[in-house]
Amino acid sequence: DSGVTQTPKHLITATGQRVTLRCSPRSGDLSVYWYQQSLDQGLQFLIQYYNGEERAKGNILERFSAQQFPDLHSELNLSSLELGDSALYFCASSVEEGRGREQFFGPGTRLTVL
Amino acid sequence: AQSVAQPEDQVNVAEGNPLTVKCTYSVSGNPYLFWYVQYPNRGLQFLLKYITGDNLVKGSYGFEAEFNKSQTSFHLKKPSALVSDSALYFCAVRASSASKIIFGSGTRLSIRP
Repeated sequence: DSGVTQTPKHLITATGQRVTLRCSPRSGDLSVYWYQQSLDQGLQFLIQYYNGEERAKGNILERFSAQQFPDLHSELNLSSLELGDSALYFCASSVEEGRGREQFFGPGTRLTVL
Repeated sequence: AQSVAQPEDQVNVAEGNPLTVKCTYSVSGNPYLFWYVQYPNRGLQFLLKYITGDNLVKGSYGFEAEFNKSQTSFHLKKPSALVSDSALYFCAVRASSASKIIFGSGTRLSIRP
């Protein structure tokens, strides 16, 4: 158990809908990262937050947004969902934003868009 | 731009034999290199990393990796494979000056009894 929690575990929704994925980092970790894992695209970095501020952006669509709250938990909002958004979404955390720090991954949220 | 390549989609090894999972990278400046493992229906788990210093890095579960600057490689190795090592392995790279980490496409390791 990495200490990173994600809810929900599974989410099934329809095209055009909006969902929110939640992540709680390990105790003491200030940095949160979001990733998308799909069969055809592998593991894609979406966005990173450090202590409430956005630090880095990857291949995140404009329909997606995220934030990190004062208690350090983070939410990833996905809107106008398309079939291609079906994937595993992982959250990871690290103790600081130092570039040599390893990340600890949550168990993921499996999103299915029908 | 930084990139990482795992040239083999799948590696098959007999239990007890040595294993190697390959990774090559491209970054500007000094690299930070990582290996992660993913078991079915689980998140990624950190195995080991190279930041600086000794080129041979030892990690969890008996795995090690060798940083080779001239060949820009960071291959994962284990002297004697176990069936329980069967999983998906990801190499990742982050330039010391960059904010993003890039993951390879993953290599599925299959250890037969």
